[in-house]
Order: sequence, then C-alpha cells, then structure tokens
Amino acid sequence: DGGITQSPKYLFRKEGQNVTLSCEQNLNHDAMYWYRQDPGQGLRLIYYSQIVNDFQKGDIAEGYSVSREKKESFPLTVTSAQKNPTAFYLCASTATTYGYTFGSGTRLTVV
Amino acid sequence: DQQVKQNSPSLSVQEGRISILNCDYTNSMFDYFLWYKKYPAEGPTFLISISSIKDKNEDGRFTVFLNKSAKHLSLHIVPSQPGDSAVYFCAASGSGAGSYQLTFGKGTKLSVIP
Repeated sequence: DGGITQSPKYLFRKEGQNVTLSCEQNLNHDAMYWYRQDPGQGLRLIYYSQIVNDFQKGDIAEGYSVSREKKESFPLTVTSAQKNPTAFYLCASTATTYGYTFGSGTRLTVV
Repeated sequence: DQQVKQNSPSLSVQEGRISILNCDYTNSMFDYFLWYKKYPAEGPTFLISISSIKDKNEDGRFTVFLNKSAKHLSLHIVPSQPGDSAVYFCAASGSGAGSYQLTFGKGTKLSVIP
C-alpha cells in the first residue's frame, strides 16, 4: 500500500540536543515538504525539496536542516538553534499540482 | 502577507444543519483550490478540490463554491455530522514553475454539536 510514513509518533528532546524526524514515502513522488503546526498558526512551511539532492528553505527554516539523498526519504533535523521546537511536525509529498499526501505527524516535545 | 485567509478560527453548528466554511485569497495566479480536514494528532486528509475553470464541485455532503471575481471560496457541509468536527484547511496552488506547492490558510475549527 502506497503512503507516507513519519516516525516516531512522539519524540522528546532535552534542551540543547539535536533530533531527527523521519519521513519516508513509497508513492514515487518527486516533491516533499515539511510543515510545522502550532495552535492558531496553521501550517507553516519549514523546508521543501522538488528533486533529489536539492532543497529550499520555507518560511521558518531557521534552526532546522534537511537532506534529500534518496527520492523516498526527506529527514528533518531540529537543531539546538531552534528556540521553540515543541510543535506538531507534518511531512507531505506530491507528484502533481493536485494536492499533497500527508504523513500522520510527529509530536516533538522539549523536556 | 497571507495569500490564503480563513478569517473564522472556529465555527459551531448543530448536527443536521449546514456548515459553511469560508476562504479568501489574494494571488490571482492561484488556479486550483483544495480543502483538507484534520483531526488532532493526525495528518490532514484531502477532502475536495476545485479548478478555477469551475464554480462548483460536489462530492456527497460536501460542496465547494468558487467565486473568482471575489477571490473567495466556500465549503458547504450538508447535513453536518458530529464526525465532521475537525480543523479544515483551505489551500491553493498556481500555474507555472513550482506550482506543486500549496499555500495554506490558518484553518477553521468546526464543532458539530449533537
């Protein structure tokens, strides 16, 4: 069954640590995206990649990094430079102009 | 500057009545519009879409209306059911390079009261 998988579902991070959120898709989609959701803020774009080995900053890229070494994978690293990392993170992919397929999300909490 | 606006953060409707969720956009290059539904702690799921060449698209209880001159679209849910309680995001995409990318509104939380 084709889909997009995010892991883990819940993640706890100590202050000062980097953490990496996984996003894998088997839909053969070229483009992949990372969004952050905070209450009342909607979906804010962090990074996106339209092709392997290329990615672009979104609206709130500071404190985050990504890689796109394989078409199927687009991991997001939340670095210690991100001042307020507690949020719900969503990964999405698409191959057309007709909308995204989203993963089920990762809830990151700083403890 | 927000290119896609959902001005109502929340909406409460009685079960069985009509829910109307509104969305405005500013970018005249947008030519495809989508609605996504999101439950807490889950990813958004696609609900319904409309191309700019149409003014209405219907799928069961869900109908989306597009008024291009007003740069306004709305989602009608009839009849509303308790399971429709969720956050609804309006999204838009445009033609040309990079048109795969969606621009989202901030969402409207719909509560359907039994």
